Amino acid sequence: AQKVTQAQTEISVVEKEDVTLDCVYETRDTTYYLFWYKQPPSGELVFLIRRNSFDEQNEISGRYSWNFQKSTSSFNFTITASQVVDSAVYFCALRETYKYIFGTGTRLKVLA
Amino acid sequence: DAGVIQSPRHEVTEMGQEVTLRCKPISGHDYLFWYRQTMMRGLELLIYFNNNVPIDDSGMPEDRFSAKMPNASFSTLKIQPSEPRDSAVYFCASSLGVTGELFFGEGSRLTVL
Repeated sequence: AQKVTQAQTEISVVEKEDVTLDCVYETRDTTYYLFWYKQPPSGELVFLIRRNSFDEQNEISGRYSWNFQKSTSSFNFTITASQVVDSAVYFCALRETYKYIFGTGTRLKVLA
Repeated sequence: DAGVIQSPRHEVTEMGQEVTLRCKPISGHDYLFWYRQTMMRGLELLIYFNNNVPIDDSGMPEDRFSAKMPNASFSTLKIQPSEPRDSAVYFCASSLGVTGELFFGEGSRLTVL
């Protein structure tokens, strides 16, 4: 069965620190997609990135970067120079065929 | 472009009452998902549709829950009768194709007293 594990329940950092959110997944499929979503205090869920299983290239978008490693079944998310506005719950998700499964989320608190 | 639209945003009701949550997906999207979010259980997939057809409802907690998608632009999630443990935020999301990312509505916060 597919599974997404976000072992870090909550992380607190001071503004401008770098922080990495871990995501480990399990799947039997060779074709699958991985995602990160952000849920700020206002409650909406916002899409951040999608990665397919055949593309292990790391991606950088501004202060955000993602490290996908099939060998360790991990898809980690790093925020560089964190800001207070980054405070949110971040969810990793796995999609294989039709099902879309979310991890339990990591609550990030960035302190001023 | 309009995103996924959910209504009502907030619903407070008494135990035993019927609750209907509504969702309008993004036009052209062929997948629609209903999720429930609670502190204890996180984001739970309840049911999803492809081209208006329910594909997997194994996440629906019990017979009190039902969902329909009569056409490509409308879906409902009904709870009858409601119970306090149904209190949660219910999200509707849609996507284009099997590989597409989910676009979420703002959620319906349900409180059952």
